[in-house]
Amino acid sequence: GENVEQHPSTLSVQEGDSAVIKCTYSDSASNYFPWYKQELGKRPQLIIDIRSNVGEKKDQRIAVTLNKTAKHFSLHITETQPEDSAVYFCAASSQTGANNLFFGTGTRLTVIP
Amino acid sequence: GAGVSQSPSNKVTEKGKDVELRCDPISGHTALYWYRQRLGQGLEFLIYFQGNSAPDKSGLPSDRFSAERTGESVSTLTIQRTQQEDSAVYLCASSFLRGTGELFFGEGSRLTVL
Repeated sequence: GENVEQHPSTLSVQEGDSAVIKCTYSDSASNYFPWYKQELGKRPQLIIDIRSNVGEKKDQRIAVTLNKTAKHFSLHITETQPEDSAVYFCAASSQTGANNLFFGTGTRLTVIP
Repeated sequence: GAGVSQSPSNKVTEKGKDVELRCDPISGHTALYWYRQRLGQGLEFLIYFQGNSAPDKSGLPSDRFSAERTGESVSTLTIQRTQQEDSAVYLCASSFLRGTGELFFGEGSRLTVL
């Protein structure tokens, strides 16, 4: 099955700085890579995703990049704000196969005001 | 509301007892997932349903764990002879099988085994 690794496990940044979270995956058949944000005590929610036919996707202050050759993808948050503080999970899935979604171990981001 | 609903929200049980957790997915969602989240940990994949069948049961930790889904709707996760290491939040999610791929999560069922 798919194995998704995520780094770092914790990340602290000053408000206004950028944050980068990196993930690697093992299954070359994976072609869908979402990122979920989980605020304290709440359910995970999708913030951005990318499919294997593109290398980068942006949505306001967040962007995701994908390198299929190296089997890694990254989340970039610019101009961080205190409300960005949460646990972020990357995930990988083969949507042409069993369609199950495997998550990384999470990154706890703290934005210091 | 129209979101994913899970029950119970909290369950405290004694070691050795059986527990049943329920998930009501969003109407029309053909895919349903169960994940386990231990305190401060990531999302551990347990099982995935496509309609009423489970093509991938590889994540179930042991034969004490089982899950079923009926009517392409409600799913139950059953844990027999609970152990203290089963204590966690059990999250259910659903999605359209051929949709955008976004998973919609429930609030979770927090299980505490004493």
